[in-house]
Amino acid sequence: GENVEQHPSTLSVQEGDSAVIKCTYSDSASNYFPWYKQELGKGPQLIIDIRSNVGEKKDQRIAVTLNKTAKHFSLHITETQPEDSAVYFCAASINNAGNMLTFGGGTRLMVKP
Amino acid sequence: DAGITQSPRYKITETGRQVTLMCHQTWSHSYMFWYRQDLGHGLRLIYYSAAADITDKGEVPDGYVVSRSKTENFPLTLESATRSQTSVYFCASNEGGSNYGYTFGSGTRLTVV
Repeated sequence: GENVEQHPSTLSVQEGDSAVIKCTYSDSASNYFPWYKQELGKGPQLIIDIRSNVGEKKDQRIAVTLNKTAKHFSLHITETQPEDSAVYFCAASINNAGNMLTFGGGTRLMVKP
Repeated sequence: DAGITQSPRYKITETGRQVTLMCHQTWSHSYMFWYRQDLGHGLRLIYYSAAADITDKGEVPDGYVVSRSKTENFPLTLESATRSQTSVYFCASNEGGSNYGYTFGSGTRLTVV
């Protein structure tokens, strides 16, 4: 089955700096890669996703890039703000029944004011 | 209210007891999922359901039972709780097909003593 690895497990940045979280996946058939943000005491919330026919996608201060050849994808957050502090999860899925996602282990991002 | 709700938010139970975690969604999404979240393991799929009366095992199904008699409900039962089942449990739903995004509930924190 699919295996998703996520790095780093914790990331501390100064407010205004950029943050990058990287994930690798094992199954070349995976074609959907969402990112989730989990704030304390809440469930994960989808913040951005990318499909395998696209190399990059942006939404305001966040962007995701995908390298299918190398089987890795990354989340980029620019101009970080304290409210960006949360746990971020990457995930991957194959276009099969159920659209089941395999999640990475998570990254705790801390933005210091 | 529309959305996906889990109950209870917190539960303490004793080893060997049966406990049921509830999940209810108002969108009539076809797919529903149960994940557990543990430090160091990220989110792991327990069971999922593609429709009413259709369920299947995920990565860590042992010790859990699910049912789905109605599209909107997907309860998770621990038949004889063990300390290793102490975790935060998240329910999620998904329309299936081309809409891949999961919507997660707020979670149930279960402690088995």
